Amino acid sequence: EVQLVESGGDLVQPGGSLRLSCAASGFIFDNYAMSWVRQAPGKGLEWVSGISGGGITTNYADSVKGRFTISRDNSRNILSLQMSSLGVEDTALYYCVKGSGAFYFYSYLDVWGKGTTVTVSS
Amino acid sequence: VMTQTPLSLSVTPGQPASISCTSSQSLLHSNGKTYLNWYVQKPGQSPQVLIYEVSNRFSGVPDRFSGSGSGTYFTLKISRVEAGDAGIYYCMQTMHLPRDSFGPGTRVDIK
Repeated sequence: EVQLVESGGDLVQPGGSLRLSCAASGFIFDNYAMSWVRQAPGKGLEWVSGISGGGITTNYADSVKGRFTISRDNSRNILSLQMSSLGVEDTALYYCVKGSGAFYFYSYLDVWGKGTTVTVSS
Repeated sequence: VMTQTPLSLSVTPGQPASISCTSSQSLLHSNGKTYLNWYVQKPGQSPQVLIYEVSNRFSGVPDRFSGSGSGTYFTLKISRVEAGDAGIYYCMQTMHLPRDSFGPGTRVDIK
């Protein structure tokens, strides 16, 4: 069974940093792109970042570019999101999501984790 | 920009429902595929994929759900709504990431 388990969400002050992790199991991790999608309280979905299966290609939403870094450890089946310069607008439930193919573009998101909550507040 | 209409919908069980999604740019790739997908987020749950590449039902999705469209205009139809179909339906494009990924969502309530 494919499973994605996020961790690392926390309450952090504005300007702070946080690292999210996602442990993947049940599939050949490095064959598939991975993405982070977030959902602010009471709001819709926003694709935040994606990384190709091999980890070479990455991309970011304009709202997080330059502040967030996505990475993956294919030897340990771990996806990460390093977040810095956090603002209140980054408060959201962050989902780890498996792509249907090796690239996050030209694909769809076929398995979603349950999410981890990031709250940015003083 | 991805837009959806309507933003909310109340449907009687057994009746059909339809949601439209419009993209400001064509989602047709030179390979002939169109990268428009549909997701539903049921109350208290993570989103799940329903339809990929306009009209392909994901594994396990009932054939009551169908997708159609081309280029910039797409439609999700539920032929006979059931109580368990309540949720928020999102269209999403992966042709032009990271720009304008998801539509704003359409809330479907069951009367």
